[in-house]
Amino acid sequence: DAGITQSPRYKITETGRQVTLMCHQTWSHSYMFWYRQDLGHGLRLIYYSAAADITDKGEVPDGYVVSRSKTENFPLTLESATRSQTSVYFCASTYQGTEAFFGQGTRLTVV
Amino acid sequence: AQKITQTQPGMFVQEKEAVTLDCTYDTSDQSYGLFWYKQPSSGEMIFLIYQGSYDEQNATEGRYSLNFQKARKSANLVISASQLGDSAMYFCAMFRTYKYIFGTGTRLKVLA
Repeated sequence: DAGITQSPRYKITETGRQVTLMCHQTWSHSYMFWYRQDLGHGLRLIYYSAAADITDKGEVPDGYVVSRSKTENFPLTLESATRSQTSVYFCASTYQGTEAFFGQGTRLTVV
Repeated sequence: AQKITQTQPGMFVQEKEAVTLDCTYDTSDQSYGLFWYKQPSSGEMIFLIYQGSYDEQNATEGRYSLNFQKARKSANLVISASQLGDSAMYFCAMFRTYKYIFGTGTRLKVLA
């Protein structure tokens, strides 16, 4: 199916564990983004990527790692999860900075 | 640094009336794009409208219009003839130099 998909949709993990959130898009959009959404903070940019093998930090990158070896995939890894990383995570892509297309979101709970 | 500011955490509007949601932005670039998105309680992000920094006319999409005042760096969203289904969170966003950033959002409630 065409579009952008995130997995898993829901995840509960323990403090200190590594967890990876997956994002896959089928349009070959150059730009991809990871956000976290918390009440009162809107969507905050964690990392972004302008193309395969090109990634850069956003507003809140600490504790997160990304990679983009293929254009269509942009996984986000929490190296050692903390309770403050409990959030809803959105992946998005865009073609040259036009409309952004979002995944369904991943609700992550760190206990 | 680029920034999006939405100063209205919550707004109420009567059904069938118009409402303006405020957005100001900060960038030193000449080329950028401004966007509005709607997020209903179901959680998905819905694109509403786009304004390019070089566009001289305000963007319109059905009942949505974007009041673009470049000198004041504002990009307010106007929703005409509000409907109950417009109740949602609304985000202003900007794309510039590879980054797509969002404001903190305005929660709109339409009253019957």
